[in-house]
Amino acid sequence: GDSVTQMEGPVTLSEEAFLTINCTYTATGYPSLFWYVQYPGEGLQLLLKATKADDKGSNKGFEATYRKETTSFHLEKGSVQVSDSAVYFCALAGGYNKLIFGAGTRLAVHP
Amino acid sequence: NAGVTQTPKFQVLKTGQSMTLQCAQDMNHEYMSWYRQDPGMGLRLIHYSVGAGITDQGEVPNGYNVSRSTTEDFPLRLLSAAPSQTSVYFCASSYEPGGYEQYFGPGTRLTVT
Repeated sequence: GDSVTQMEGPVTLSEEAFLTINCTYTATGYPSLFWYVQYPGEGLQLLLKATKADDKGSNKGFEATYRKETTSFHLEKGSVQVSDSAVYFCALAGGYNKLIFGAGTRLAVHP
Repeated sequence: NAGVTQTPKFQVLKTGQSMTLQCAQDMNHEYMSWYRQDPGMGLRLIHYSVGAGITDQGEVPNGYNVSRSTTEDFPLRLLSAAPSQTSVYFCASSYEPGGYEQYFGPGTRLTVT
């Protein structure tokens, strides 16, 4: 069945460092792909999405490109801030109104 | 506009007890879902609804019931709580058919002893 694999965390960075969180997927066809973010004590929020191959999703300085050749959707940010500390979830559209999530990657950014 | 609200925020149950987790949204969304979040496993879909009166099972439905009598409300019922149901539960809603931009509530942390 469809699945999402994320790099294990936690990822610990200093402020202004470059961030990459790896995400690969297994799916039939070419589903839409998403990154959600969960700040401490809150529910998940959509960060960005890409609906077809080679699309680049971007928001708040974060980017991810849908790569069908490598079945990947890696999340990147050029300069992280302390306020980016959160748990990041990669997800794919697994069917009608259904999201399949990865296990999540915790990011901690220190001043 | 409160978005998606969930009550309670925390709950402790004894094995065998029943309870209902409440979820409401004020965005007039047709689609609502319940997920559970467990360490190292991401979120898994329990049940979902595509409109009032229509519900269906997700990936891990056993031990849970749902109903959808109104567009706004989508309660999740635990019939006989078990320690394996200790988890954080999230309710989500979305507007578009097959709309994957889901809006999540703040969650309910449930412990079953």
